[in-house]
Amino acid sequence: DQQVKQNSPSLSVQEGRISILNCDYTNSMFDYFLWYKKYPAEGPTFLISISSIKDKNEDGRFTVFLNKSAKHLSLHIVPSQPGDSAVYFCAVHPPGTYKYIFGTGTRLKVLA
Amino acid sequence: DGGITQSPKYLFRKEGQNVTLSCEQNLNHDAMYWYRQDPGQGLRLIYYSQIVNDFQKGDIAEGYSVSREKKESFPLTVTSAQKNPTAFYLCASSITTGATIQETQYFGPGTRLLVL
Repeated sequence: DQQVKQNSPSLSVQEGRISILNCDYTNSMFDYFLWYKKYPAEGPTFLISISSIKDKNEDGRFTVFLNKSAKHLSLHIVPSQPGDSAVYFCAVHPPGTYKYIFGTGTRLKVLA
Repeated sequence: DGGITQSPKYLFRKEGQNVTLSCEQNLNHDAMYWYRQDPGQGLRLIYYSQIVNDFQKGDIAEGYSVSREKKESFPLTVTSAQKNPTAFYLCASSITTGATIQETQYFGPGTRLLVL
């Protein structure tokens, strides 16, 4: 049973508009949440994170929102750029463990 | 320049053969991980190691083995028992603090394993 779900396998957005990527999780005990970006044939690179004690974290064009009551995480990219085209994975951390659990990814395509 | 290296970039396995994927890091991280990525699926954890000479099975450990004799190195062997080994394999490392990890995981560039 998947503990982390990214229900949209793909998303297309026009350049300059907002991209919103979503992630749902099942366990309210997860204490740390991350977003990774991955290009084909490369390893994922860390993008932004948020602790469970916060509901928003912003870094330049990227903002992560955490809705604990809904067990929902989202990543907003604004404005979207063609270089943002990649697969985005969300990941959650079960407290007291040394591992992360990853979602299935959403492929973002930003159209010029 | 610190980072994680994986070799080879591409690896071919014959039927019944064991192959070993290399992962080296010079970030001085205690924890290291192996993930497998298949098309349309997320990253699935194969094995992880919190410290030298210790490792734990992840969610899909069957058909794989690892060793952690040095802090910098965490090789993964894909054994002949792994019936569907074709995938993209990713190694990662992270800082640990006490009983948990801190911050993010850093990933290597990956190895694509193909079966002949």
